[in-house]
Amino acid sequence: GQQVMQIPQYQHVQEGEDFTTYCNSSTTLSNIQWYKQRPGGHPVFLIQLVKSGEVKKQKRLTFQFGEAKKNSSLHITATQTTDVGTYFCAGEVAGANSKLTFGKGITLSVRP
Amino acid sequence: EAGVAQSPRYKIIEKRQSVAFWCNPISGHATLYWYQQILGQGPKLLIQFQNNGVVDDSQLPKDRFSAERLKGVDSTLKIQPAKLEDSAVYLCASSLDLVRNYEQYFGPGTRLTVT
Repeated sequence: GQQVMQIPQYQHVQEGEDFTTYCNSSTTLSNIQWYKQRPGGHPVFLIQLVKSGEVKKQKRLTFQFGEAKKNSSLHITATQTTDVGTYFCAGEVAGANSKLTFGKGITLSVRP
Repeated sequence: EAGVAQSPRYKIIEKRQSVAFWCNPISGHATLYWYQQILGQGPKLLIQFQNNGVVDDSQLPKDRFSAERLKGVDSTLKIQPAKLEDSAVYLCASSLDLVRNYEQYFGPGTRLTVT
């Protein structure tokens, strides 16, 4: 079945450093979504990417969809302690009726 | 706008007992999802409803799990009998529709511990 991979599962950064994480799918995706889950919380939608090569920015966060629509990246500029949490990517295969397959997520910790 | 409501928030049961979770999606959302999130993993889709019909239940262990959304609004997920490996957070999510891949809104989840 479809797999969405996020490696590594944990990353620690110093506040102010940049952070980049990647998401890879075993199959071509129709779209990809990113969610953030704070410790003890539930996943919260961040962004959706649909077009090949698409880049979207939200303040210090930059999201990119790969040209082949099989991978995506999340870049955070100048991390802050408020960025702490687990970031999940979730991909949908074409014709899957909005069924998302989530990766295992990457848990980001930020040292003040 | 009220979010997705779930109850109970926590449940502890012994193996072989039964348990039920309730979800009330955001008003007007046609699509409802139940996910299982085991510690350290991403949410895994168990079942997806569009109004009161099942769209996908391919990953639902049907020998012990069941779910319904009779009136196309609230939904319940039941486990009977529970096993130790069912310990997880059960998340309910809703979205406007499945025709377009709208964002999903998650509820706070029910943390189930099976002893």
